[in-house]
Amino acid sequence: SQTIHQWPATLVQPVGSPLSLECTVEGTSNPNLYWYRQAAGRGLQLLFYSVGIGQISSEVPQNLSASRPQDRQFILSSKKLLLSDSGFYLCAWSPGLHSNQPQHFGDGTRLSIL
Amino acid sequence: QQQVKQSPQSLIVQKGGISIINCAYENTAFDYFPWYQQFPGKGPALLIAIRPDVSEKKEGRFTISFNKSAKQFSLHIMDSQPGDSATYFCAARRSRGSTLGRLYFGRGTQLTVWP
Repeated sequence: SQTIHQWPATLVQPVGSPLSLECTVEGTSNPNLYWYRQAAGRGLQLLFYSVGIGQISSEVPQNLSASRPQDRQFILSSKKLLLSDSGFYLCAWSPGLHSNQPQHFGDGTRLSIL
Repeated sequence: QQQVKQSPQSLIVQKGGISIINCAYENTAFDYFPWYQQFPGKGPALLIAIRPDVSEKKEGRFTISFNKSAKQFSLHIMDSQPGDSATYFCAARRSRGSTLGRLYFGRGTQLTVWP
């Protein structure tokens, strides 16, 4: 069966520090991968998505970037964190080439910027 | 622009009661409507989903009602239990002509079921 892993579960970082959040999927190949940010009362905001290695699309211009160095690995990064980057970050996957399949989420990373 | 509008933002229901959450959409190209359930500190999990060729789908105590002409769909939780207390998200997706299957989410409803 397929599983998705995100780490770390919680992270406290100072303003201006770099960020790297990692997401990996097991049990499938060539998945579509997604990064979301969740803010209270604002639902799920899609940040980035990827349909293949090295293919990244950004939904919202911001201080963050994403990379997909391997088929089942998706990384969210920042060179300098802002206070506004605080939030709950979720990675998700869906079967590639089959847009009628559901998305499955990891358990997220709670990021606090001090 | 919010593609999917969800209400209410919060809902309090007595144990054994019926919880109803409503969503509305504008894009008639949407053809897949899932509901996700999220517990604190966890990611959303797919609860139930419906396609517009049916008006209702039931799985246990959870039912989706779909009104294509009104472009609305709702989640009904029968015999609500304290364990149902969670945040619920509706979503919509256009599957045809897209390999991505991007989901558009409502803003969520925080459900509290009192014992």
